[in-house]
Amino acid sequence: QSALTQPASVSGSPGQSITISCTGTSSDVGGYNYVSWYQQHPGKAPKLMIYEVSNRPSGVPDRFSGSKSGNTASLTISGLQAEDEADYYCSSYTSSSNVVFGGGTKLTVL
Amino acid sequence: EVQLVESGGGLVQPGRSLRLSCAASGFTFDDYAMHWVRQAPGKGLEWVSGISWNSGSIGYADSVKGRFTISRDNAKNSLYLQMNSLRAEDTALYYCAKAGDTAMAAWGQGTLVTVSS
Repeated sequence: QSALTQPASVSGSPGQSITISCTGTSSDVGGYNYVSWYQQHPGKAPKLMIYEVSNRPSGVPDRFSGSKSGNTASLTISGLQAEDEADYYCSSYTSSSNVVFGGGTKLTVL
Repeated sequence: EVQLVESGGGLVQPGRSLRLSCAASGFTFDDYAMHWVRQAPGKGLEWVSGISWNSGSIGYADSVKGRFTISRDNAKNSLYLQMNSLRAEDTALYYCAKAGDTAMAAWGQGTLVTVSS
């Protein structure tokens, strides 16, 4: 199972919006609405930000949103804040009944 | 409050075995599937294995299939990962994660496994 494809890095200024893409195949991202997004600050455990493509767990700001089109899912952060600087990972359920992660994207808030 | 505490990591020689444990509290353990996810130093997340609430459904990443075994003891609120035939590339921080809403809703702080001679 190959990892999902994410850009290595993205950046934005405070207040701006950024989007991180996550590309898979019809056997994972495109085949199921089970795409999740995780935020990881340095030295910390990952935190669930989005589940089932576009749902936010309780406590996650509505500045974070998710979507999917075909084999590509996206995470959008609007009104960028300094505390959003972190690594972001997508994941998907697969046709093999397993889970696959993306390679991760480093978000820099300028 | 959900708490997941991993233990059992350490330095081990290639080819040897190690058993990781994850103690869960703050939720009804036997209501949830559980996962192991690892992160090599400076690298991304890699799903290792998952197990359903009643151990009836189990999955492994191709990289560990045949070498690692996931199990759980619902009476002890504990998750395990038996790792055999360890390789240098298994060196990583191993996280235990609670499933929820088809995602990994809560994570422990991880236990470090270093495979080296």
